[in-house]
Amino acid sequence: GENVEQHPSTLSVQEGDSAVIKCTYSDSASNYFPWYKQELGKRPQLIIDIRSNVGEKKDQRIAVTLNKTAKHFSLHITETQPEDSAVYFCAASHTNAGKSTFGDGTTLTVKP
Amino acid sequence: DTAVSQTPKYLVTQMGNDKSIKCEQNLGHDTMYWYKQDSKKFLKIMFSYNNKELIINETVPNRFSPKSPDKAHLNLHINSLELGDSAVYFCASSQVSTNEKLFFGSGTQLSVL
Repeated sequence: GENVEQHPSTLSVQEGDSAVIKCTYSDSASNYFPWYKQELGKRPQLIIDIRSNVGEKKDQRIAVTLNKTAKHFSLHITETQPEDSAVYFCAASHTNAGKSTFGDGTTLTVKP
Repeated sequence: DTAVSQTPKYLVTQMGNDKSIKCEQNLGHDTMYWYKQDSKKFLKIMFSYNNKELIINETVPNRFSPKSPDKAHLNLHINSLELGDSAVYFCASSQVSTNEKLFFGSGTQLSVL
């Protein structure tokens, strides 16, 4: 089955700095890679996703890159703000698989 | 309208009891899930139902029994609760046929004393 590894497990940055979270996956059939943000006491919510036919996607301060050959994808947050503090999860799935496999999460702390 | 709703939000119970968590989605999705989030925040899939049929059962003890009366509902019944069952349980749904994102419910914090 699919295995997703995520690093680092914790990340602390100063407000305004950039943050990068990396994930690797094992199943070459995976073709959908979402990122979820979970604030304290809340549900995980999608912040950005990328499909295997695209190498990079941006949405304002957030970007995701995908390297299919190396089987890794990364989340980039620029100009971090205190409200970016949360747990971030990467995930991988393929069409009709019936599940998304999650990384273990990264706790991001943005210090004002 | 809430897309994925689950009840109750909090569940505090004694070891050995039986409890249920209910989930409903109004998004018309074809697949519903139960995920368990432990104290380390790891999100692990437990079950996945596609159009009321069980398609994923990830080595979950038999004490956990999901039931999907229709496409929009997926309930979780837990027998003989143990201390290690304490966690947050999230219901979620998605459209698997087009491989779309998960929509999560607000979670049920289960505490077994």
